[in-house]
Amino acid sequence: DIQMTQSPSTLSASVGDRVTITCRASQSISSWLAWYQQKPGKAPKLLIYKASNLESGVPSRFSGSGSGTEFTLTISSLQPDDFATYYCQQYNSYWTFGQGTKVEIK
Amino acid sequence: EVQLLESGGGLVQPGGSLRLSCAASGFTFSNYAMSWVRQVPGKGLECVSAISGSGGYTYYADSVKGRSTISGDTSKNTLYLQMNSLRAEDTAVYYCAKGKYQLLRSAVDYWGQGTLVTVSS
Repeated sequence: DIQMTQSPSTLSASVGDRVTITCRASQSISSWLAWYQQKPGKAPKLLIYKASNLESGVPSRFSGSGSGTEFTLTISSLQPDDFATYYCQQYNSYWTFGQGTKVEIK
Repeated sequence: EVQLLESGGGLVQPGGSLRLSCAASGFTFSNYAMSWVRQVPGKGLECVSAISGSGGYTYYADSVKGRSTISGDTSKNTLYLQMNSLRAEDTAVYYCAKGKYQLLRSAVDYWGQGTLVTVSS
């Protein structure tokens, strides 16, 4: 099975900060990677698919990059609504999620 | 508008069985991959089972393989997950999830609200 490792596990940041979250796959997954945002008590929400494609309706401050085994999610200017937990997911070989990165208020 | 409505969760004793249902609307059910993703409260996400739009391909996580069966009824636009021999570690919120495409190689673009399964005596 493909393992997904996110870093950091927790990130403290302020409104307006540029934030980067990293996701590493245990083997190459080409660009078959998605990023999700989840808030407490809610279902996850798709932000990015195929590594760098912005899902419809998602603000342009979110962007994704990478291929192979290393991927990043960047929030260009953190907004109050962005404090949440973020998950990466590979779907090259079935589906595996990273363990999550909690973005909290500094 | 795409909607996914789960039902069937609840309290069940260890060793018991449960069938989760997901009523789908707003899209052609057979055109998209569907899955069940669970989350232990406060923990991460785990895809436990998935099925391609055609129904020809299925996936089961090792944690539920041999104990669970995923199926879809295109006439009712409903996804099911039959779970048997339930264990305490199956306790979680179970989400129904729709893939962006028909194949399993697909991100999830819509999620249900989740249904809580509690396995306890």
